[in-house]
Amino acid sequence: ETGVTQSPTHLIKTRGQQVTLRCSSQSGHNTVSWYQQALGQGPQFIFQYYREEENGRGNFPPRFSGLQFPNYSSELNVNALELDDSALYLCASSLAGGATEAFFGQGTRLTVV
Amino acid sequence: AQSVTQLGSHVSVSEGALVLLRCNYSSSVPPYLFWYVQYPNQGLQLLLKYTSAATLVKGINGFEAEFKKSETSFHLTKPSAHMSDAAEYFCAVSDSSGGGTSYGKLTFGQGTILTVHP
Repeated sequence: ETGVTQSPTHLIKTRGQQVTLRCSSQSGHNTVSWYQQALGQGPQFIFQYYREEENGRGNFPPRFSGLQFPNYSSELNVNALELDDSALYLCASSLAGGATEAFFGQGTRLTVV
Repeated sequence: AQSVTQLGSHVSVSEGALVLLRCNYSSSVPPYLFWYVQYPNQGLQLLLKYTSAATLVKGINGFEAEFKKSETSFHLTKPSAHMSDAAEYFCAVSDSSGGGTSYGKLTFGQGTILTVHP
């Protein structure tokens, strides 16, 4: 059984650029959620994907978008990067359902300069 | 809407002392409640979860939490702190009502940094 892996672990982007973050979900998990964790804050829900469809979205603008692939891996895309987008981005995979455990990856640290 | 409040952004204890991290929640539906731990530069690891079974929940590493509906609380305790417990702890709530776009979404508190002194 493999865990949740995210890539890259760190990256630096310039304001206005676009970025793609990747997540491989744990084997057998069909649901992927993305969270943004700003420094000193708790994670904030961005959106969730279930069987390749968006299944809930937090209070984030449309320039945050995502994809889920048939193998349940996922991408988070952010366009027109702003300085406030600097954060740790966490991916969590789970089986569908509110009580099931979400397994988190180690995160991608994004710095926007 | 759901929310979580963690009382105390920093808690400091001596090794061997009781650990008490406080969490209060707000939810319009019966909640699922979770405690996660985060070590520096790492993701989140589940300590324990409440899913409407026993109100006293035991987790990993000697941690436990008690769900108190009347107080809307889910405080995390450990009888004897260890140096390795030093980390940041997050309480989270999830919608248990089933279906809808919020199902399975975790709402986190702001976190409590636990420091353990020798």
